[in-house]
Amino acid sequence: KQEVTQIPAALSVPEGENLVLNCSFTDSAIYNLQWFRQDPGKGLTSLLLIQSSQREQTSGRLNASLDKSSGRSTLYIAASQPGDSATYLCAVRREDTGRRALTFGSGTRLQVQP
Amino acid sequence: DGGITQSPKYLFRKEGQNVTLSCEQNLNHDAMYWYRQDPGQGLRLIYYSQIVNDFQKGDIAEGYSVSREKKESFPLTVTSAQKNPTAFYLCASRISAGLNYEQYFGPGTRLTVT
Repeated sequence: KQEVTQIPAALSVPEGENLVLNCSFTDSAIYNLQWFRQDPGKGLTSLLLIQSSQREQTSGRLNASLDKSSGRSTLYIAASQPGDSATYLCAVRREDTGRRALTFGSGTRLQVQP
Repeated sequence: DGGITQSPKYLFRKEGQNVTLSCEQNLNHDAMYWYRQDPGQGLRLIYYSQIVNDFQKGDIAEGYSVSREKKESFPLTVTSAQKNPTAFYLCASRISAGLNYEQYFGPGTRLTVT
């Protein structure tokens, strides 16, 4: 059974810092990995999708990397801003064809101090 | 505007009552999903549907039921058999059941049962 772990569970940094969020998964037979942002009481917003054949994806100040063989992904946020404060979730899609849903980690709650 | 709508945003029910959560999408997506989120935890899959008139149980389907009579609609009923129904419920959709596509989420419904 696939398990996804995110470390740390919570992180507080001063504005302007570069930071890294970690995601690990137990079964490397994944098809892709998706990073989401969730604001309090809201739905999820997709940030980046990395296919298993890719090593990284970039969008603005965000860069996500994937090392499928070691079961790890990182989300790098450059020059953090107070508006980046949210919970960040990673999720993986398994390779088996029986299901098309995602398995989620429990998230990293990020607070960027002004 | 294309997107996923969930209503209502907040829902209160007495224990022992069934309640139905609405999920509508105008993205022309084939696949739709229901997830449950508890405080400090990741999302867990309740039910999913890859096509109209078809749906499958997820990891925590007990006490829930769904229907998929129309492509754009995937309502979730929380029955009195669900032991801990108070949670945040998220609906999602994807363009198809193919593995490459991103999953998009609605804003969620917070259900409180007392």
